Amino acid sequence: GAGVSQSPSNKVTEKGKDVELRCDPISGHTALYWYRQSLGQGLEFLIYFQGNSAPDKSGLPSDRFSAERTGGSVSTLTIQRTQQEDSAVYLCASPVRPLKGEAFFGQGTRLTVV
Amino acid sequence: AQSVSQHNHHVILSEAASLELGCNYSYGGTVNLFWYVQYPGQHLQLLLKYFSGDPLVKGIKGFEAEFIKSKFSFNLRKPSVQWSDTAEYFCAVTSMNTGFQKLVFGTGTRLLVSP
Repeated sequence: GAGVSQSPSNKVTEKGKDVELRCDPISGHTALYWYRQSLGQGLEFLIYFQGNSAPDKSGLPSDRFSAERTGGSVSTLTIQRTQQEDSAVYLCASPVRPLKGEAFFGQGTRLTVV
Repeated sequence: AQSVSQHNHHVILSEAASLELGCNYSYGGTVNLFWYVQYPGQHLQLLLKYFSGDPLVKGIKGFEAEFIKSKFSFNLRKPSVQWSDTAEYFCAVTSMNTGFQKLVFGTGTRLLVSP
């Protein structure tokens, strides 16, 4: 596609439920980032995929968070047993040139855990 | 651990005032530096970038930033701000330490420009 597409744009879930957030990166881009944006916290790195290499998961805050990338394109971020502190905007980014870090961002998924 | 610091969390300026937003990073090796901007209701977009060469880089909308290696800084400047510059600004860094593959952001600076 022309840009990075994320779905849903908004998600309200009850505490304890699992949620899946989807990212469709720019076609042909082999790398993909997930970030979490919370008020006053800036953009918190979560995970980075680059081609067939093992993903950099160093930013995932707990084992309730996981992500996968199927077929080198679409990525899904899963949060199990959601907590209120998981409420944030989850952003996906598609690097233009993976080794330089410049990236196009999606609009994000606003997750609210009630 | 590699980190990026933006010391100004909120900045309020009048139109035509000059702007300088600070950004410092902790990594001492080779880095690539970026400023991203997020206008209200819009997605993050690249404002400018530094990879190598002239340490003074110019971006869109009259913004510029200067890389000062000795100070580990990459401050963003604009001589005369406009109301439309109201946005949140993020400094970001990749480093040789992570193969330039991990883009680390600062906490952001919210700029409000009053007309």
